[in-house]
Amino acid sequence: DGGITQSPKYLFRKEGQNVTLSCEQNLNHDAMYWYRQDPGQGLRLIYYSQIVNDFQKGDIAEGYSVSREKKESFPLTVTSAQKNPTAFYLCASRQTGGTDTQYFGPGTRLTVL
Amino acid sequence: QQPVQSPQAVILREGEDAVINCSSSKALYSVHWYRQKHGEAPVFLMILLKGGEQKGHEKISASFNEKKQQSSLYLTASQLSYSGTYFCGTLSGNTPLVFGKGTRLSVIA
Repeated sequence: DGGITQSPKYLFRKEGQNVTLSCEQNLNHDAMYWYRQDPGQGLRLIYYSQIVNDFQKGDIAEGYSVSREKKESFPLTVTSAQKNPTAFYLCASRQTGGTDTQYFGPGTRLTVL
Repeated sequence: QQPVQSPQAVILREGEDAVINCSSSKALYSVHWYRQKHGEAPVFLMILLKGGEQKGHEKISASFNEKKQQSSLYLTASQLSYSGTYFCGTLSGNTPLVFGKGTRLSVIA
């Protein structure tokens, strides 16, 4: 099946620990994105990448880091510098033409204890 | 800039109609609509393109007013399965989609 996979679905971490969220796509999409969603809130962009080995900060990049070493993979690290990391994290991908659909992965719910 | 969605929330009885609006202060190339169920990822509904073309696959229609930079999503004869939060995402160029805060739709029997 084609699509986007995120793992794990649920993640619990102690305060002060770094944690890496996985995102893999087999849609051959050039662009990949990370969003954060808080209860009752919209989707806020953390980082995005439109090509391998290149990425840009979104609106709320502080406390996060990413890499794009392969076209199909775009992992997100939530560092200890992120003051309030508990949230639902969504990965998405899209071809970069304006007419193309953006697809979302199933999400990872991170809880920091 | 983040698009503005209205209303923020709406409650419908089965069979009633609803309209959700999305407006932007920027010139738009396309508007993308999604529905999200609680605890799940957003699911694509439709793309509205500059010039009037639509791409979608559900019994939901939408419009895109290029002059006003506004899009409206029309939900007719609502069903219980229509419940969820609806997001519009706007595209102005070679930039990521920018999403509104969402409209929470509840359909009751």
